[in-house]
Amino acid sequence: DIQLTQSPSFLSASVGDRVTITCRASQGISSYLAWYQQKPGKAPKLLIYAASTLQSGVPSRFSGSGSGTEFTLTISSLQPEDFATYYCQQLNSYPRTFGQGTRLEIK
Amino acid sequence: EVQLVESGGGLVQPGGSLRLSCAASGFTFSSYEMNWVRQAPGKGLEWVSYISSSGSTIYYADSVKGRFTISRDNAKNSLYLQMNSLRAEDTAVYYCARDDIAVAGLYYYYYMDVWGKGTTVTVSS
Repeated sequence: DIQLTQSPSFLSASVGDRVTITCRASQGISSYLAWYQQKPGKAPKLLIYAASTLQSGVPSRFSGSGSGTEFTLTISSLQPEDFATYYCQQLNSYPRTFGQGTRLEIK
Repeated sequence: EVQLVESGGGLVQPGGSLRLSCAASGFTFSSYEMNWVRQAPGKGLEWVSYISSSGSTIYYADSVKGRFTISRDNAKNSLYLQMNSLRAEDTAVYYCARDDIAVAGLYYYYYMDVWGKGTTVTVSS
């Protein structure tokens, strides 16, 4: 199975900050990676797929990059509604594993 | 409006069974592959199972293989998860999620673009 490791697991930042979350895969997955945002008590929301393609309706301050084994999610200027938990997921092979999550909190 | 609505969760004793349903609306259900994803209390997301649009291809996580069965009824626009031999560690919110695909040249990029709100399963005596 492909393991995904996100770093950091916890991130404290302020409104307006630029933040980057990293997701590393245990083996190459090309660009078969998605990023999701989840707020407490809510379902996950797709942000990015194919490593760097922004889902329709998602603000352009979100961006994704990477291929192979290392990927990043960047939020260029944090807004109050961005404080949530973020997950990466590989869709290269089954089982479709998720990273353990990165909790982004207000400093 | 594109929508997925899960139902069927509840409290069940260890060793018991439960059948979850996911009702789809606002899109052509029979054209889409579907998944179940779960989240234990205070934990991260765990992919559980996948079924192709026709139902001919199915995958499971090792943690549920042999105990859970995914199925679908395209005539009823519904997805199901039959859960048997339930354990305490199956306690979670269960989400159904739609698969979509983006084609770029020779590459097919899958992603889960529509999610239900989830149904809660609690396994406890």
